[in-house]
Amino acid sequence: EAQVTQNPRYLITVTGKKLTVTCSQNMNHEYMSWYRQDPGLGLRQIYYSMNVEVTDKGDVPEGYKVSRKEKRNFPLILESPSPNQTSLYFCASRGLERTEAFFGQGTRLTVV
Amino acid sequence: TQLLEQSPQFLSIQEGENLTVYCNSSSVFSSLQWYRQEPGEGPVLLVTVVTGGEVKKLKRLTFQFGDARKDSSLHITAAQPGDTGLYLCAGSYYNTDKLIFGTGTRLQVFP
Repeated sequence: EAQVTQNPRYLITVTGKKLTVTCSQNMNHEYMSWYRQDPGLGLRQIYYSMNVEVTDKGDVPEGYKVSRKEKRNFPLILESPSPNQTSLYFCASRGLERTEAFFGQGTRLTVV
Repeated sequence: TQLLEQSPQFLSIQEGENLTVYCNSSSVFSSLQWYRQEPGEGPVLLVTVVTGGEVKKLKRLTFQFGDARKDSSLHITAAQPGDTGLYLCAGSYYNTDKLIFGTGTRLQVFP
């Protein structure tokens, strides 16, 4: 089954404690992205990657890091989380033809 | 930053009513997609429109892409409670790999 898998689904952490949210896709897609979703602001792109070792900033990259060492994985790293990073995060992948984006089920992060 | 505005932001209607959701931008899209998102889930693609003036139908849902490729609409005929959810438009712009999402329209259909 074609899918994008994120882990964890829920995470509560404290300010400053480094965390990683994993994302894996099994569709051999070239493009992968991370979004955050906040009420009234919609989905905003954090980082995206067009292929292995190729990453670029989206609209709201501050406070986040990503890596793309393998085609299937695209982890999101928060080196020093802050309360304003409390949000619902989605990972997505797309093929070269840039059509449908497949989304993971989301990670709800709370930073206290 | 490109902006993609959706209206209305919220919509509460009775079962059987018709509704239209709008998605507007000042920029020209190379293609536009509509997604539906249910609570606790990621968005799921409903349709992709590519050609200016294009109309696509998906059962009771009709999607239209503006002639100038700057706007789109989603019309639902005889809405049902199962249509309840968050509807998102997303645009791809020429010469970019980014997919820009609208702010969303939250639809509630009451029996």
